Amino acid sequence: KQEVTQIPAALSVPEGENLVLNCSFTDSAIYNLQWFRQDPGKGLTSLLLIQSSQREQTSGRLNASLDKSSGRSTLYIAASQPGDSATYLCAVNLSSNTGKLIFGQGTTLQVKP
Amino acid sequence: DTAVSQTPKYLVTQMGNDKSIKCEQNLGHDTMYWYKQDSKKFLKIMFSYNNKELIINETVPNRFSPKSPDKAHLNLHINSLELGDSAVYFCASSQGRVGRLEFFGPGTRLTVL
Repeated sequence: KQEVTQIPAALSVPEGENLVLNCSFTDSAIYNLQWFRQDPGKGLTSLLLIQSSQREQTSGRLNASLDKSSGRSTLYIAASQPGDSATYLCAVNLSSNTGKLIFGQGTTLQVKP
Repeated sequence: DTAVSQTPKYLVTQMGNDKSIKCEQNLGHDTMYWYKQDSKKFLKIMFSYNNKELIINETVPNRFSPKSPDKAHLNLHINSLELGDSAVYFCASSQGRVGRLEFFGPGTRLTVL
C-alpha cells in the first residue's frame, strides 16, 4: 500500500531564505509526482509535476526533484517570500489511467517578513 | 472565470440529516473527482466519474452517493450524516483518465453537529 510522508509538518523561516521541503513514498512504482500549494480556506494549486522518468522540474523559484529508487522528492524554494506562506502537499499517482492521487499530509510553511 | 466551482462553501448541519454538495466545471473536461480532507489535513480520493461513468469508488460508506447528471457536473449526496463526516470536500476535474490532476475546486467545509 502506497504511503506518502512529508517532513517537516511545519516550517518557519525568515524572508529570503532558501528552503527544502521533503516528501517520501513507500512504493517506487509511481507514474508521476505532483507538488501542490494550498492556501487557508482555498483549493489546491498545482505547482509542479514530475514524470517517473524525470529527475527534476523547475518553475520560477521552485525546483522539484525526484529520486524514484529511494522514494523521495524535494521541493526547493529559492529566496522565500511572505507570499510563499501556505501548505505544500506532495502527491503520487500510481497510474497513467486515473487521477487517483495519494497525498502526503503537507508541510505548512510560514515565511516571516 | 471559475474553472471548478462548488456550492455551498460552508455547510453546517445536524447528525442524521441528508445533504448534497454540488460541483460544476466549465473546462470541458470529461472526468471529475471527489476528494475528502479530514481534520488532520489528509486528502483522500472518494470517487471519480468519466463521461458520467463511475471509474473510481474507494472504500466509502454507501451513505455517500455521487451523481453525475452530465460531464460538467458531479454532485455528492450524503445520507444520515455522522460526526465523522465533518471534513472539507474537494471536487476536481481532468480531461480524460490522465495521470495529472490540476484543477481543484475551492472546497466545501462540512460540519456535522
